[in-house]
Amino acid sequence: EDKVVQSPLSLVVHEGDTVTLNCSYEVTNFRSLLWYKQEKKAPTFLFMLTSSGIEKKSGRLSSILDKKELFSILNITATQTGDSAIYLCAVEGGHTGNQFYFGTGTSLTVIP
Amino acid sequence: DSGVTQTPKHLITATGQRVTLRCSPRSGDLSVYWYQQSLDQGLQFLIQYYNGEERAKGNILERFSAQQFPDLHSELNLSSLELGDSALYFCASSQGGGPTQYFGPGTRLTVL
Repeated sequence: EDKVVQSPLSLVVHEGDTVTLNCSYEVTNFRSLLWYKQEKKAPTFLFMLTSSGIEKKSGRLSSILDKKELFSILNITATQTGDSAIYLCAVEGGHTGNQFYFGTGTSLTVIP
Repeated sequence: DSGVTQTPKHLITATGQRVTLRCSPRSGDLSVYWYQQSLDQGLQFLIQYYNGEERAKGNILERFSAQQFPDLHSELNLSSLELGDSALYFCASSQGGGPTQYFGPGTRLTVL
């Protein structure tokens, strides 16, 4: 069964801390892995990863994919209260190659 | 604002009823995706349409159906509603069927 597992489920940190969020997957016909940030409403796109070992960066956020070990990490440095959200990992793949499997998310709370 | 619009914002209905949720993708996007997000199951991929044709199917119940019209807007029809169908339903769109998706604000469905 295709699945995506995120850890930890929940994280509480102080402003300025660095956090690492994990996403492991078992999805047939892997095509891409995506990270989203979900605040009160709709998920917003952060990164798409398709190749192993190539880091994607956007400001204080970065992500990398390991296709051999079937996982990805999302790093956030110098966290701010505005980073508080649920971070979702999704994998495109499945038997048709174009289905999407989401993890249940990591809830990040950043305390001032 | 992602540019994806969904109506209605909230919907409250009774068991056994039928509802239609509507989505307009971002200008220029050909693909529309539907997702269900409930507290206990996270984000579940339901179905994808590309330029009017069904492209991929996820965990969509037989009581649910969708379509994409020539003007590219999409509708998700939910029938014989059950209490367990209460959830947030998201629509997302992408250019050309690529995995980077932009989510609408969602429709919150409550079945009483």
